[in-house]
Amino acid sequence: NAGVTQTPKFRVLKTGQSMTLLCAQDMNHEYMYWYRQDPGMGLRLIHYSVGEGTTAKGEVPDGYNVSRLKKQNFLLGLESAAPSQTSVYFCASSYSATHGYTFGSGTRLTVV
Amino acid sequence: ILNVEQSPQSLHVQEGDSTNFTCSFPSSNFYALHWYRWETAKSPEALFVMTLNGDEKKKGRISATLNTKEGYSYLYIKGSQPEDSATYLCAFGPYSSASKIIFGSGTRLSIRP
Repeated sequence: NAGVTQTPKFRVLKTGQSMTLLCAQDMNHEYMYWYRQDPGMGLRLIHYSVGEGTTAKGEVPDGYNVSRLKKQNFLLGLESAAPSQTSVYFCASSYSATHGYTFGSGTRLTVV
Repeated sequence: ILNVEQSPQSLHVQEGDSTNFTCSFPSSNFYALHWYRWETAKSPEALFVMTLNGDEKKKGRISATLNTKEGYSYLYIKGSQPEDSATYLCAFGPYSSASKIIFGSGTRLSIRP
């Protein structure tokens, strides 16, 4: 029973490099989310999806893109990484807006 | 801008004591209120989701209440144990965009043995 799996767990990027974070869930959840967590800031929503083929912007979407081509996967892309994107990224999924979220274990990204 | 406030920011209690903390949210445009427990080096774990004014939820020694008219929720822990040490997050789901829940900054709870 995997739940929500994020890959990779750690990554160091140079400024200007690109990368994709993968989130996979095996619970048949419709809703998926990407958050970033910074010290003193709490969890901030980057992008989210309410179903396969849909995406929408959250609170801090600039510098990120997402895709949800398959229901079980939600990809977060950084096209040109910046030091301000150094953070811990969490993916989450839920059955609906009134169900609790299941979180992945996080990806620690450092941009140098 | 929707604001979710949690108080206190941190709390230290003796093992065996009971404790509670508060989540304040906008009283208008309410859809759902979530509570999560977040242990160090782990990911947040859902405790409760409440949708109705007056809702009370319980899970073992942890319980929560909801007042949507005045915009607050309380989380109670009875007889604190060391394993209760964690950050407790609440999150508000507005009716206008229920998919985009807004997290508070959390209350960090430490239990002294």
